[in-house]
Order: sequence, then structure tokens, then C-alpha cells
Amino acid sequence: QQPVQSPQAVILREGEDAVINCSSSKALYSVHWYRQKHGEAPVFLMILLKGGEQKGHEKISASFNEKKQQSSLYLTASQLSYSGTYFCGTELVGTGANNLFFGTGTRLTVIP
Amino acid sequence: DADVTQTPRNRITKTGKRIMLECSQTKGHDRMYWYRQDPGLGLRLIYYSFDVKDINKGEISDGYSVSRQAQAKFSLSLESAIPNQTALYFCATSDNGIPGYTFGSGTRLTVV
Repeated sequence: QQPVQSPQAVILREGEDAVINCSSSKALYSVHWYRQKHGEAPVFLMILLKGGEQKGHEKISASFNEKKQQSSLYLTASQLSYSGTYFCGTELVGTGANNLFFGTGTRLTVIP
Repeated sequence: DADVTQTPRNRITKTGKRIMLECSQTKGHDRMYWYRQDPGLGLRLIYYSFDVKDINKGEISDGYSVSRQAQAKFSLSLESAIPNQTALYFCATSDNGIPGYTFGSGTRLTVV
């Protein structure tokens, strides 16, 4: 039930773009995205619900393809502050609960 | 003060000892969760509670127990700690109808 994230790690120079993918073998009701900086708690970025909507948060946006049970997180014109580990959390259809199954994370490093 | 407070922040304990990790929140959220984080495995759900009288097992509940003493307090116990329970433990809260989890700062537990 744990979603699969890719890539596991990525290194960017400031100003470059990145895409992080999250896919599930189960039908999804929603996908959450979190960022965790080293030694800190994960912080909620955004939620994508069934319907294929795309959301944005500053220069970070995401999409949800419910047919493929996939979500992608887009980071554009990356900044040093974007460094951290990004996790997707998936809520499954039909569970009747909002428990999240988290992916193993994507470590993003932005260098000057 | 933090919205979700975990104590202790760090703990070293011996194999076979009983240990309790505590979580308290000022968010007023009904739902509380315990996750453990291991390198390369992401966050895995141990237990969750939707209100004081509701306790549910997560993916990896064996060896753990919980107590929801009040809406704001959710404790995790390791009855007889073993080395493979060495991990970073996070408490999280959420509110029905409001997206996103709020995580505590984590408890780093080492079992020797």
C-alpha cells in the first residue's frame, strides 16, 4: 500500500526545475505532499483530491492523474530553501479514513 | 509553544525496558497518529486515533501500544523495547475536513 516515489534523490542548481513522481497500485482518494528539512518535522505543502486538479504553492505545484493513480510535484526555478526530502502521502479510496501511506521520500538538494 | 509537542526529544534505552513516548497538541484536532521513520523506508503508521474512545492499529503495530488519555494527548508505549525499534518517531494530528497533518518535532529513540 506504500506508494512509490521517484527519483530517490536529485541535485539541482539554483534556478533549475525538478519533477518528483508518486505512484500507487491502489485507487487513490487524495495525495498529500510534505517537505522535511534535515532534523525537522515534515511540513504539509498541499493536497490533491480526485478530479485531476492541479494546485500551486508559490513556485511549487502538483498534479493528480487519478486514472493512473499518480501524482507529480513540480518545482520550478528552484531556490536553496527548497532543499529537503519530499514525501507523498496517499489516502486510499474506500478506507473510510484519512490515514496516509507515505512514500520513501525524494531527497532534493539545491546548490548555488 | 509548538502546536504538537513530543517528549522526550531523544532517548536511549536498554533492550527489554518499557518506554513511553508522549504527544500533546494545542490544535484542537480530533485525530492523532504515531509514525516511525527509518532511513530509506519513509514514514510508517503505527497507531491512530480519531477520538478519545477510538484506537486503531496501523501497518506496524506489533510491539507497540497506545493510550489516548484526552483529546489533546496520545502516548505510545514500547512494552519491551528491542534494537530494531530504534527509529525516529513522529506524532501527527489532523482535523476532519481540513487537509494536512501537523507533525511534532519527533522523538529519536535508540534501543541498545
